[in-house]
Amino acid sequence: NAGVMQNPRHLVRRRGQEARLRCSPMKGHSHVYWYRQLPEEGLKFMVYLQKENIIDESGMPKERFSAEFPKEGPSILRIQQVVRGDSAAYFCASSPGVGEKLFFGSGTQLSVL
Amino acid sequence: AQSVTQPDIHITVSEGASLELRCNYSYGATPYLFWYVQSPGQGLQLLLKYFSGDTLVQGIKGFEAEFKRSQSSFNLRKPSVHWSDAAEYFCAVGAGTGGFKTIFGAGTRLFVKA
Repeated sequence: NAGVMQNPRHLVRRRGQEARLRCSPMKGHSHVYWYRQLPEEGLKFMVYLQKENIIDESGMPKERFSAEFPKEGPSILRIQQVVRGDSAAYFCASSPGVGEKLFFGSGTQLSVL
Repeated sequence: AQSVTQPDIHITVSEGASLELRCNYSYGATPYLFWYVQSPGQGLQLLLKYFSGDTLVQGIKGFEAEFKRSQSSFNLRKPSVHWSDAAEYFCAVGAGTGGFKTIFGAGTRLFVKA
């Protein structure tokens, strides 16, 4: 049973470009969470999704950021018009149900030049 | 508001010595509590969790943690540290209905010296 898969591992973008981060949850998991980790800081909750639904996006910046988890395919975190401050490690986690153990991917390191 | 505080940014211990990593939380109800470990360039791995019951929780890799409600603490311990334990350790509290919105502390970086 493969773990949570995130790709790419490293993503380099110039200011103003779009970044797309993908997350395939573990088989059988319908709950996906996105976290951002900034240097010297902890993980910050961004968004919680179930299949085709956004349950809680209170940690998402109001502009430029969006997330989806379609019926088929991976969850996507999209950042439009990236700025240098978006540079961070973005982690995806999945769980089989609410309140259950989270399984984390290895993260995507986004670097904005 | 829910929050998690890990007061130690870095800790250095000698191999074979005991370890305690501190964690304090703020949460209105009985929390779900977790410790995760992150090795360099890797995702996070769950060490142990507390939901209810016995306040001393055993985890993987020889780690344990004790939930102390009166102190709002959930400190992680290991009696004898191995060099492979060097990593970043995150304490977390499960907030929201069912604990889905897990709030993480800033992490404690553990260095192990020979």
